[in-house]
Amino acid sequence: SQQGEEDPQALSIQEGENATMNCSYKTSINNLQWYRQNSGRGLVHLILIRSNEREKHSGRLRVTLDTSKKSSSLLITASRAADTASYFCATEETSGSRLAFGEGTQLTVNP
Amino acid sequence: DAGVIQSPRHEVTEMGQEVTLRCKPISGHNSLFWYRQTMMRGLELLIYFNNNVPIDDSGMPEDRFSAKMPNASFSTLKIQPSEPRDSAVYFCASSATNRGKGETQYFGPGTRLLVL
Repeated sequence: SQQGEEDPQALSIQEGENATMNCSYKTSINNLQWYRQNSGRGLVHLILIRSNEREKHSGRLRVTLDTSKKSSSLLITASRAADTASYFCATEETSGSRLAFGEGTQLTVNP
Repeated sequence: DAGVIQSPRHEVTEMGQEVTLRCKPISGHNSLFWYRQTMMRGLELLIYFNNNVPIDDSGMPEDRFSAKMPNASFSTLKIQPSEPRDSAVYFCASSATNRGKGETQYFGPGTRLLVL
């Protein structure tokens, strides 16, 4: 079953702007991961944040995790047209050994 | 490394036919996952293997679906008989984990299945 829920479902911005996507989940987790999917392709792992971490950076990506609110955000700074894709959060629950993916946020970056 | 390899990339078949999807995980990875993606249901985990052993198949929709992993470098997902509602993109992913915990999953390019 899907646990992560992304918000918004779709986001359209101009090149150079920042994009923020949010993910909420329901149960205790070991970690939360963000993936990207270009149209017609497989998912590509972006970043993993563990339950004892609050913030993580990777290049233009910044991920935050608030376990008290059961939420995470993905910030893409200085967006580029090539960032256009769907972005998924995935949670690994403490009770299990599988990733539960959300429905994704479709990001469009207009040149 | 070539990454996760899936074949075929596209499959069009008629209802009632048997469909076999194939996956070669990344060498050295010990966990393998089969997902199905549709517009209506999003990305669903069907089954995953750890060290070639099926660990959780609770996502397999029904008895028409079966998956095998005869060795560490090969897995199949079979649908018999296929139905139009099976039309979807099927992804295989692998990771270097213990029982699928806590690490990155690497996805293949997917098999786009259309059942007429």
